[in-house]
Amino acid sequence: QSVLTQPPSVSGAPGQRVTISCTGSSSNIGAGYDVHWYQQLPGTAPKLLMFGNSNRPSGVPDRFSGSKSGTSASLAITGLQAEDEADYYCQSYDGSLSGYVVFGGGTKLTVL
Amino acid sequence: QVQLVESGGGLVKPGGSLRLSCAASGFTFSDYYMSWIRQAPGKGLECVSHISSSGSTINYADSVKGRFTIYRDNAKKSLYLQMNSLRAEDTAVYYCARSQWGSDFDYWGQGTLVTVSS
Repeated sequence: QSVLTQPPSVSGAPGQRVTISCTGSSSNIGAGYDVHWYQQLPGTAPKLLMFGNSNRPSGVPDRFSGSKSGTSASLAITGLQAEDEADYYCQSYDGSLSGYVVFGGGTKLTVL
Repeated sequence: QVQLVESGGGLVKPGGSLRLSCAASGFTFSDYYMSWIRQAPGKGLECVSHISSSGSTINYADSVKGRFTIYRDNAKKSLYLQMNSLRAEDTAVYYCARSQWGSDFDYWGQGTLVTVSS
């Protein structure tokens, strides 16, 4: 059971918009810790997709956007493309846990 | 360019030990927190341990506390994870990743597979 809750799967047709939610609590996202997002293509290491809730690293298309409100965060992908099919993870910090770093359970995005 | 290269994974029997290494290049290693993050087959990500830039602050996930030890050698630009009393549930790909405290993991290694099985 992950500290941050994500839907196991989402899907959409090419060109459509999808969102992936990440729900936490008052000890992590709600405590003010930033949320970061990672994309993991099959058989590869995770890659940073979004940092500081809504900032894209260089090279990440502006089709990807992030937001945070209260104890939740969201990743939105517009103009869905086949190459977006991957696993997506949110990550934050939790002051109540000894390890501090927390991840969501991951969301499998399928492009129909 | 930033590179993180893990090594040391392999097959080990339950109760055995293994030491993972992560060689860093392309950045000032001593400026960054470093972490070991694992992914069991078909599962999500778990940060097992992280260490501050100087090595003075270390944290472990409850699942590995007392069994794993993280350390670094800034002169050699290397990160290590000593894993003792290994269990089947420690089977995973282990990634090293860099960050700043409270921030994102902006670079990851390619991972090294640890399999614990008799």
